[in-house]
Amino acid sequence: NAGVTQTPKFRILKIGQSMTLQCTQDMNHNYMYWYRQDPGMGLKLIYYSVGAGITDKGEVPNGYNVSRSTTEDFPLRLELAAPSQTSVYFCASTGGADIQYFGAGTRLSVL
Amino acid sequence: QKEVEQNSGPLSVPEGAIASLNCTYSDRVSQSFFWYRQYSGKSPELIMSIYSNGDKEDGRFTAQLNKASQYVSLLIRDSQPSDSATYLCAVNYPGNQFYFGTGTSLTVIP
Repeated sequence: NAGVTQTPKFRILKIGQSMTLQCTQDMNHNYMYWYRQDPGMGLKLIYYSVGAGITDKGEVPNGYNVSRSTTEDFPLRLELAAPSQTSVYFCASTGGADIQYFGAGTRLSVL
Repeated sequence: QKEVEQNSGPLSVPEGAIASLNCTYSDRVSQSFFWYRQYSGKSPELIMSIYSNGDKEDGRFTAQLNKASQYVSLLIRDSQPSDSATYLCAVNYPGNQFYFGTGTSLTVIP
């Protein structure tokens, strides 16, 4: 049982490049989330999804896009990378008990 | 505005002592509250969840919730060096949106 899997683990982007952070869960959870965590800070909600085909903005959605075509997958897209998007990104999923299960994170640097 | 406030610390306690971590939240409609532990460079892991006013105990950990004061706390008894980590308070708002505090850094000194 893999839980929540994020790829890649590390990535360096140049300003203006695009990339997709992948997130997959095998727990059949309806709710999925993307967070970013800046050094010494808590997690900020970027986007979330309550099920396949449904997504909504969180606290800090600017510069990001998401899609949810299946229950398992919730990719996060950065279209025009900026230095302000340098952060650690966590994907999480939640089942019926409100408990969030986190992936291992993606460490992104934009230079 | 959905806010979750924590003292950032750092908090240092000697081994064997009680560590007390505090959290306040801004929105009274919140119903679910969580404490996560995060080691440096790792993802958060759930320690405790609490839904009702009062205390909830799990081993060395006790979560306390006071909805009237919009206050959640975590007590760690018999603190161990392995408890040294950042502790994140999280609040679940309607619509299953989770908001996190900035975390309290705890160091347990052997």
